[in-house]
Amino acid sequence: EPEVTQTPSHQVTQMGQEVILRCVPISNHLYFYWYRQILGQKVEFLVSFYNNEISEKSEIFDDQFSVERPDGSNFTLKIRSTKLEDSAMYFCASTRDRPNTEAFFGQGTRLTVV
Amino acid sequence: DAKTTQPPSMDCAEGRAANLPCNHSTISGNEYVYWYRQIHSQGPQYIIHGLKNNETNEMASLIITEDRKSSTLILPHATLRDTAVYYCIVRSEIQGAQKLVFGQGTRLTINP
Repeated sequence: EPEVTQTPSHQVTQMGQEVILRCVPISNHLYFYWYRQILGQKVEFLVSFYNNEISEKSEIFDDQFSVERPDGSNFTLKIRSTKLEDSAMYFCASTRDRPNTEAFFGQGTRLTVV
Repeated sequence: DAKTTQPPSMDCAEGRAANLPCNHSTISGNEYVYWYRQIHSQGPQYIIHGLKNNETNEMASLIITEDRKSSTLILPHATLRDTAVYYCIVRSEIQGAQKLVFGQGTRLTINP
């Protein structure tokens, strides 16, 4: 069964450092998403991406965040200057090119900012 | 997106049917009901979705009331591996890139 893969599974970084979280969505999917989940809290939407541009973003997704699809397979989330409160699980997801379809999630990257 | 209401937790005996309720009284005509689950801290996993007819797949059944104001997810023969947080989400399909808005969900514990 096709799956969304995320790397690394766990990233520890110092406050103020830049991090890049990587995702390989399912190959024939066209919509891509990042969500995050702070420990013990809800899964929160960050951003959706379609046709090489952001289609929607939440208020969490401020200027410190950016997304990119640098080639035909990877989808990345960059945090420019990490803060302690950025510590969370980050999930990538993708869906096919039509509505009424399920989103497939990766297993997540646990980001710990120290 | 319409809001949903779910009980915070439920227990079910292994081998029995688990029935998870969800209220979505403000759902509009073009909104689907989706169910996802999250096992421990893994990525959410799609289970099933529907608009107004009952749906069944290899994982579960979804029963939607005629007025569409509530639904029930049924896991027919629950196993220990079904212990997870279950999320009921309503989602418009007018546009393709629709985000999922997760609530707190129902923490389902399957007991041996």
